Amino acid sequence: AQKVTQAQTEISVVEKEDVTLDCVYETRDTTYYLFWYKQPPSGELVFLIRRNSFDEQNEISGRYSWNFQKSTSSFNFTITASQVVDSAVYFCALSDNTDKLIFGTGTRLQVFP
Amino acid sequence: DAGVTQSPTHLIKTRGQQVTLRCSPKSGHDTVSWYQQALGQGPQFIFQYYEEEERQRGNFPDRFSGHQFPNYSSELNVNALLLGDSALYLCASSLGLAEPWDTQYFGPGTRLTVL
Repeated sequence: AQKVTQAQTEISVVEKEDVTLDCVYETRDTTYYLFWYKQPPSGELVFLIRRNSFDEQNEISGRYSWNFQKSTSSFNFTITASQVVDSAVYFCALSDNTDKLIFGTGTRLQVFP
Repeated sequence: DAGVTQSPTHLIKTRGQQVTLRCSPKSGHDTVSWYQQALGQGPQFIFQYYEEEERQRGNFPDRFSGHQFPNYSSELNVNALLLGDSALYLCASSLGLAEPWDTQYFGPGTRLTVL
């Protein structure tokens, strides 16, 4: 069965600190996609990144970076020099071979000024 | 470029009633998926519509039904509402004929409260 685990329920940091959000997934499929979404207080899920199972290359986008390691079934997300606007709930998700998204329980990030 | 829109924003119903939620997909998208997000939880997949048919379904009872119209917009209907149906209902759209697992883009959601 497919499963996504986000063990960190809530993280609090002070502005400009770096923070890493952990994501561990389980799947028996050889082809799958992993996603990160951001959910601000407004409720809308904002797409951040998608990676396929054959591409383990790490990715950097501005202050955001993602580390995908198939050996440990992890897809971690790092925010460098965090800002108050980064405060939100972040979800990791797995897309199995049926094209539906399986979400973790989310990590609430609070960035204090 | 219009994103995914949902209506209404908020809704309050009582147990046993029926509710209809609406979703318009992002411009150019033809596939609509619905998710239920209980407070403090991740979204749970309800079902997905493509070419006006239900393509796949999550583990939800038959009280949850849907429809997709020729313009790709979609409705989610919930009958015989229970207190446990209180949640944020999210609609996501994607391109069905793209490579598998096309990225889903979400709307702002409808918050349903059942009293």
